[in-house]
Amino acid sequence: QVHLVESGGGVVQTGGFLRLSCTASGFGFSTYGMHWVRQAPGKGLEWLAVISYDGTKTYYGESVQGRFAISRDNYKKTLSLEMSGLSPEDTAVYYCAKDGTPYSGTFPDSWGQGTLVTVSP
Amino acid sequence: EIEMTQSPATVSVSPGESATLSCRATQTIGTALAWFQQRPGQPPRLLVYGASTRASGVSARFRGSGSGTEFTLTISSLQSQDFALYHCQQYGNWPITFGQGTRVDIK
Repeated sequence: QVHLVESGGGVVQTGGFLRLSCTASGFGFSTYGMHWVRQAPGKGLEWLAVISYDGTKTYYGESVQGRFAISRDNYKKTLSLEMSGLSPEDTAVYYCAKDGTPYSGTFPDSWGQGTLVTVSP
Repeated sequence: EIEMTQSPATVSVSPGESATLSCRATQTIGTALAWFQQRPGQPPRLLVYGASTRASGVSARFRGSGSGTEFTLTISSLQSQDFALYHCQQYGNWPITFGQGTRVDIK
């Protein structure tokens, strides 16, 4: 079955940089787009970014456009999110998720357990 | 950016009763809408996509409907495991956006 494991979360100071990773298994990784979604404490979900199955196309949410960069390595079956210019408002659990449609970017159908990022003032 | 508004913010329902959750988009998205359930401490779980297609393994007690800008998730015969947070998500236009969530509480 689909298994997604995020890593790289932790505490970082305002203005800092962090790189998150997601290791995938149990499905044809190179066939599906992949998403990053976050959830601030006690809040709803915020979609951040998606990358196409082959890594050639990326789309971002307005709040992270220009600060975050999504990438993937289909050989290593890993997804990454580089985050810069972090502020306390970026404090959240960050989820990686598999897209539900092959060769597309639509809705996430499988999610990891998430990794917590805390940005200190 | 399309904004998604879910209502109500919280709904209190007795076990065995039904709950109706609403999701409204600021622009038409056809049927490009998904619903997710999130239990405390857990990641979201896909319930419905294409506005009305249940995901694999999802109980028939969950029914999605709607198109355009107005969508509904109806949960019938609520069971203990259904008391959770529910999110809608549009994927009809970039960027993808989520609603703020509706919490289903035990009455």
